[in-house]
Amino acid sequence: QSALTQPPSVSGSPGQSVTISCTGTSSDVGSYNRVSWYQQPPGTAPKLLMYEVNFRPSGVPDRFSGSKSGNTASLTISGLQAEDEADYYCSSPTSSPTFMLFGGGTKLTVL
Amino acid sequence: QGQLVQSGAEVQKPGASVKVSCKASGYTFTGHYMHWVRLAPGQGLEWMGWINPDSGATYYAQKFQGRVTMARDTSISTAYLDLSRLTFDDTAIYYCVRDPVGSRAYYMFDYWGQGTLVTVSS
Repeated sequence: QSALTQPPSVSGSPGQSVTISCTGTSSDVGSYNRVSWYQQPPGTAPKLLMYEVNFRPSGVPDRFSGSKSGNTASLTISGLQAEDEADYYCSSPTSSPTFMLFGGGTKLTVL
Repeated sequence: QGQLVQSGAEVQKPGASVKVSCKASGYTFTGHYMHWVRLAPGQGLEWMGWINPDSGATYYAQKFQGRVTMARDTSISTAYLDLSRLTFDDTAIYYCVRDPVGSRAYYMFDYWGQGTLVTVSS
C-alpha cells in the first residue's frame, strides 16, 4: 500500500486560511474515522495536532480544524500565524498487513 | 505529563546493526503500546511497527520484517528498537511514539521522543 497523498507545499499570508488535503483509498481514510494530523516545526519532533478526523488535543488552538469526505481528509488552518510554518503529516489506519499509513508531508510556508 | 527520552545519535556502516532506546516517564509504561516511526531525508514519516510493553507482543511493518526487533525492559520503562543489515536508505531520524489508547494499537501518537539520528555511512 502506498503512502497517503498530500500536496508537497502550501502557502498563505498571515490571517489567511489554508487547507491541506490527504487522499487515501477505501481501505484506509475511507474506512476509518481515525485520521490524525501531526505538525512538525523545523528542528523539532512531530506533535499531535488533530485526531479522529476533527478532535483537537488540549492546547491546540481552534484555528485548526479537520474534516473528511470519502477517501479524502482535510486540515484547515484559519487566521494563519508565522508560528504555523511547519511540515504537516496525516495518518490513517489501514487494512492488514500494513495497518498504518502516513502522508508524504506538506510544507506550510507563511508568506 | 508523559515524556519519552531516546538515546543519542549513531553512525553505523552498511551491513551493521543499530539499537535505539526510549525511556518512558510520567505514565504507566505497560499501559500503552509503543510504536516506532522514522523520517528519512526528503521523505515522509514511515511507520515501522509496535510493541505491547505489557506482554512483549510485537508487530512489524512488512517492509522491515526479518531485520527489525522491538523489545522492552519493564523494570526501567524502556523500549528498544534494533535494526540490522543497515543500508544507506536506513539513514533517518527514528522516533518512539506512544499510542494513547490503552490495551490495543489505535495508531494515533500523542507522545513523541526527541528522535535519534541514525546515519549509515561507509
